[in-house]
Formats: sequence, structure tokens, C-alpha cells
Amino acid sequence: EAGVAQSPRYKIIEKRQSVAFWCNPISGHATLYWYQQILGQGPKLLIQFQNNGVVDDSQLPKDRFSAERLKGVDSTLKIQPAKLEDSAVYLCASSLDPQGWYEQYFGPGTRLTVT
Amino acid sequence: LAKTTQPISMDSYEGQEVNITCSHNNIATNDYITWYQQFPSQGPRFIIQGYKTKVTNEVASLFIPADRKSSTLSLPRFSLSDTAVYYCLVGSNNAGNMLTFGGGTRLMVKP
Repeated sequence: EAGVAQSPRYKIIEKRQSVAFWCNPISGHATLYWYQQILGQGPKLLIQFQNNGVVDDSQLPKDRFSAERLKGVDSTLKIQPAKLEDSAVYLCASSLDPQGWYEQYFGPGTRLTVT
Repeated sequence: LAKTTQPISMDSYEGQEVNITCSHNNIATNDYITWYQQFPSQGPRFIIQGYKTKVTNEVASLFIPADRKSSTLSLPRFSLSDTAVYYCLVGSNNAGNMLTFGGGTRLMVKP
């Protein structure tokens, strides 16, 4: 089966610019996650969707980050405006079970560099 | 959510069995223990999950003692292709119990 798709793979922007990332989960997976992974650290959950509803966004910096999953399938994550500390890999994952405790499938990630 | 403690890094010779131990003293009754593997420039990949005793699949074995306060991931024959970061996670499907990654263990080939 096809895996989780993400684009772009790499993005370089200047601080205060905007950027958007796209994710297409595995077909049939109702739950979608966005993670931020700073170099040398483990992934940090930013937001979790169940179909097109938000389950948890407690760690999403809502003053600059937004995410949507309008049709319950693919999703976009946006940063506006970007800061230097946003440089990281942004990972998208999907799972069959609502809490993701049995298995999450991760995409390759988008590496963002903010200069 | 139970906190986990695992070594920051380990190294091993190729061909040897590698064991990575994770401590989770505050594990709850409903919590499962899950391990993920992450290669450079890739997203994490689910390896194995267990609740108690021993679980084995084609990739690894997971040993969980009776008190469940720790667990050990075992890779039977370490090879260069196993070089990755390994994450131990503890939790359950209870509402609000989100998957939380720690810093992981960086496993490398011993020179």
C-alpha cells in the first residue's frame, strides 16, 4: 500500500515569511498527526485530527501555526510568520486507531530552514 | 503519561546482539510499551509493542519483566543497517493520552 506522502521535502525561507506543508495520509486512516522534530530531539506532537475534527492541538503555537483537514483526508500545516526557531523537520503521520497507540505510519517529513 | 528513561547512545559490533533498556517506573495498568525506529532523514517506524512478558517479531524482541517498570528491546544480530535512533514510548488508548517521544537512543556501529 502507498505510504504517507508529504511535500515539499525541503523548504528554505526567510524569517517572517509564510510557508505551508501538505500531507496525504494512508487511505482509510481516519487519524492524522503533525509533529515537529528539532535536530537531535524526538518528534513533538503539534496537532491531531480525527477525520476533519481536531482532537488535540495543545502544543500548537496558535499565534503563528495553523492546520486544517477540510475533507477528512489530506491536510495542510501553515506557519505565518516563521521564526528562526521553527527550523525543524515537520512530520506527518496517520493511523487506523483514534489514539495512535497501536501503530502510526510516518511520512518522510519536510525539512524547513528559516534564515 | 508515564515518563521513560533510556540511554542517549549505544554502540555495538556488527553481528552481536544489542539490548536497549528503557525505564518506566510510573507505568499505568492500561499502558502498553511501544518502540519506534528512526533512520536519518526518515520518519519513525513502528518496530514492536507489548504489554507483558515477551513479544517477538521479524525485526526484534521485546522483554518486559513482571513489574513492567522497565523493558528491553533486543536486536538479535546488529548490522550497519540497524544504525538508527530507537524510541521507547509508554501509554494507552485512554482519551487524552497522546503519543510522546523522548530523546531516544542513538545506536551506532562500534569502530
